[in-house]
Amino acid sequence: AQSVTQPDIHITVSEGASLELRCNYSYGATPYLFWYVQSPGQGLQLLLKYFSGDTLVQGIKGFEAEFKRSQSSFNLRKPSVHWSDAAEYFCAVATLNTGNQFYFGTGTSLTVIP
Amino acid sequence: EAGVVQSPRYKIIEKKQPVAFWCNPISGHNTLYWYRQNLGQGPELLIRYENEEAVDDSQLPKDRFSAERLKGVDSTLKIQPAELGDSAVYLCASSRTSGGPDTQYFGPGTRLTVL
Repeated sequence: AQSVTQPDIHITVSEGASLELRCNYSYGATPYLFWYVQSPGQGLQLLLKYFSGDTLVQGIKGFEAEFKRSQSSFNLRKPSVHWSDAAEYFCAVATLNTGNQFYFGTGTSLTVIP
Repeated sequence: EAGVVQSPRYKIIEKKQPVAFWCNPISGHNTLYWYRQNLGQGPELLIRYENEEAVDDSQLPKDRFSAERLKGVDSTLKIQPAELGDSAVYLCASSRTSGGPDTQYFGPGTRLTVL
């Protein structure tokens, strides 16, 4: 069955510390991968996406993610977290077989402490 | 460019009452999606439109939910009658195409509370 797993329900980091949010997927076809961020009371905003090419992709707000096919992972990273990064983060996967239907993980809630 | 617009932002109703949500996608985006997001979960697709045609409504509870996208632009999602379990955030998204994976742009959502 197709699935997207975000193992960490909640993460707390200190401001200025590095961050890594995990995402694993289970699909047979070539995945198209996305990371979205959702602030309280807001919709989802695209941080970055991977379709093909360089497996390390840069996004907005200083985020990056690396696609590792061998590990079926697409982890999100940021070298230095800011208090404004506190939000919910969602990984999503689409495939050519499913058109543009996205499958979302359950999200990781990030708390940033001063 | 203007983003996806949704209204209302919040809605509180009693169970068994009807409710409707409206969405206006980004100009030029042919594909429109309605998602439901339960608390602590990721969004789940309810229905996908390609222009005015519903091309995937397999997850839409058709006994009480209906949707339309007249003229292939804005869309309305309706629940009648609402149940307690319908409390959730209803998100609308749009993309240029659904022929292959493409970025979906999300509106702010409507938070529905059913009492």
